[in-house]
Amino acid sequence: SQTIHQWPATLVQPVGSPLSLECTVEGTSNPNLYWYRQAAGRGLQLLFYSVGIGQISSEVPQNLSASRPQDRQFILSSKKLLLSDSGFYLCAWSHGSGNTIYFGEGSWLTVV
Amino acid sequence: DQQVKQNSPSLSVQEGRISILNCDYTNSMFDYFLWYKKYPAEGPTFLISISSIKDKNEDGRFTVFLNKSAKHLSLHIVPSQPGDSAVYFCAASVNYGGSQGNLIFGKGTKLSVKP
Repeated sequence: SQTIHQWPATLVQPVGSPLSLECTVEGTSNPNLYWYRQAAGRGLQLLFYSVGIGQISSEVPQNLSASRPQDRQFILSSKKLLLSDSGFYLCAWSHGSGNTIYFGEGSWLTVV
Repeated sequence: DQQVKQNSPSLSVQEGRISILNCDYTNSMFDYFLWYKKYPAEGPTFLISISSIKDKNEDGRFTVFLNKSAKHLSLHIVPSQPGDSAVYFCAASVNYGGSQGNLIFGKGTKLSVKP
């Protein structure tokens, strides 16, 4: 069966510091990978998605970036965090031709 | 512009009764709809889905109804249980010539089922 893991689960970072959230998927190959964010009082917002290694599409302008160095690894990064980057970040995957997205456990980021 | 709308931010229901969660969409190209359930501090879990060629899909206590002419779908939970208390997200996507587009989510409805 397929599993998805992301870490760290909780992170408190000062403004201006870098960020790295990692996500891996097991039990499948060539998945589509996603990073979502749920900010306080808002719904799920798609930040990035990837259909293959090195292929990243950004949905919203921001100071975050994503990379996919391996088929089942997806990384969310920032060089300098802003207060507005605080939120709940979710990694997700789907089959290449599938409709349903499966989410990881989520990572709470608080920028102070 | 929000393409998927969940106009009720919260809903409170008595245990054993029916919970009805509503979702409206504006994009007539959407052809696949899903409901996700999310507990606090956890990732959403897939609940049930429906294709635009159907108007109803049932899975145990959960039924999703789709009204394409009204661009409206709803999730019915019968009977509601305290463990159903969570935030429910509606999502939709478009099929672009065989390739499914990204999911567009609503803002969620917080369901509270009281014992």
